[in-house]
Amino acid sequence: NAGVTQTPKFQVLKTGQSMTLQCAQDMNHEYMSWYRQDPGMGLRLIHYSVGAGITDQGEVPNGYNVSRSTTEDFPLRLLSAAPSQTSVYFCASRPTGGGYTEAFFGQGTRLTVV
Amino acid sequence: DQQVKQNSPSLSVQEGRISILNCDYTNSMFDYFLWYKKYPAEGPTFLISISSIKDKNEDGRFTVFLNKSAKHLSLHIVPSQPGDSAVYFCAANRDLGDMRFGAGTRLTVKP
Repeated sequence: NAGVTQTPKFQVLKTGQSMTLQCAQDMNHEYMSWYRQDPGMGLRLIHYSVGAGITDQGEVPNGYNVSRSTTEDFPLRLLSAAPSQTSVYFCASRPTGGGYTEAFFGQGTRLTVV
Repeated sequence: DQQVKQNSPSLSVQEGRISILNCDYTNSMFDYFLWYKKYPAEGPTFLISISSIKDKNEDGRFTVFLNKSAKHLSLHIVPSQPGDSAVYFCAANRDLGDMRFGAGTRLTVKP
């Protein structure tokens, strides 16, 4: 079982460039989300989705776009990278239908914007 | 507005002793609470959880306590082992709501 797979693991971008962080899960989970981890800030929610075709904003959505065309995939797009987006990004998924379940995380993508 | 707070950035304990990690939350709508453990260069992994209808949940060496009136939960690790050294995140969510995390506490267990 692969679980939650994130690609790439590392990325360096120049300011103003755009890119997409990929996230795929093979557990048929309805709920998927993106977090960023910064020192002293913990994990902050960027965007989340409760199912295909449905997305919503989290705590820090500015500068990021998401879409959910399939249950398996939840890509995160950086429209115009800024140094403030240097962070470690984690994708997570969890089942719904009851609501009280733990989330499974990917290994993370370390992004540096120069 | 940080709805889940872990006010201790770090904690150091001796092997075999108890580790107590604390967490406070502000949103009374949260009704499910979780602890995650994170090693460097890895994603967080689930450790233990508790529903708001309970005040204690135990799993081996790990026990989570919930005090709803104080909006406070704690994780007890007994006995602590060097392999427990990691960053521990407290998280909270509502049914089908987004999960919110604290800033984390770095636990160091000294042999």
